[in-house]
Amino acid sequence: ELKVEQNPLFLSMQEGKNYTIYCNYSTTSDRLYWYRQDPGKSLESLFVLLSNGAVKQEGRLMASLDTKARLSTLHITAAVHDLSATYFCAVDNNNNDMRFGAGTRLTVKP
Amino acid sequence: DSGVTQTPKHLITATGQRVTLRCSPRSGDLSVYWYQQSLDQGLQFLIQYYNGEERAKGNILERFSAQQFPDLHSELNLSSLELGDSALYFCASSVWAWSGYTFGSGTRLTVV
Repeated sequence: ELKVEQNPLFLSMQEGKNYTIYCNYSTTSDRLYWYRQDPGKSLESLFVLLSNGAVKQEGRLMASLDTKARLSTLHITAAVHDLSATYFCAVDNNNNDMRFGAGTRLTVKP
Repeated sequence: DSGVTQTPKHLITATGQRVTLRCSPRSGDLSVYWYQQSLDQGLQFLIQYYNGEERAKGNILERFSAQQFPDLHSELNLSSLELGDSALYFCASSVWAWSGYTFGSGTRLTVV
């Protein structure tokens, strides 16, 4: 069964600092997704990574995928308060569904 | 507005009761997915429908059932409700499995 692990689960950062969230998964998959969720809200799609070596960037966030290592990273550059949210990675489960990690709750402090 | 519509937004009901959650997918999307989000279990996949047919099942309890209608809207039925069923229930839709999902705003179910 596909397992998805994220770390860290909680992350407190200072504004202006950089950090990386890691997402490991247990079985072969070429498709990985990152979502953002604000408290009590829905999930917003951030990145869709569909092949080994894929890299996507949007503002201060950059996501990458290494399918051989079964690892994706979400890198945060020069964090700002507006990035405070919970970030989820999700892995395609043989075209049937996505399996989600537990989420990383990010707090950016001034 | 993501284009995926879920109703109701909030639901409070008693143990033992039955409720129906409704989802209208984004226009053009044939697949509908149901997820349960709780504090202790995280986001759990329940069930997927594609163009009216059940495609995949996850950790869905026997007390729960779903269907997708010809107009592609979907309903999730939860019966014999227990306190532990209190959670956010999300519906998502997609046009292709690999394209990623668009999530609705969710239904917050509270069982008292």
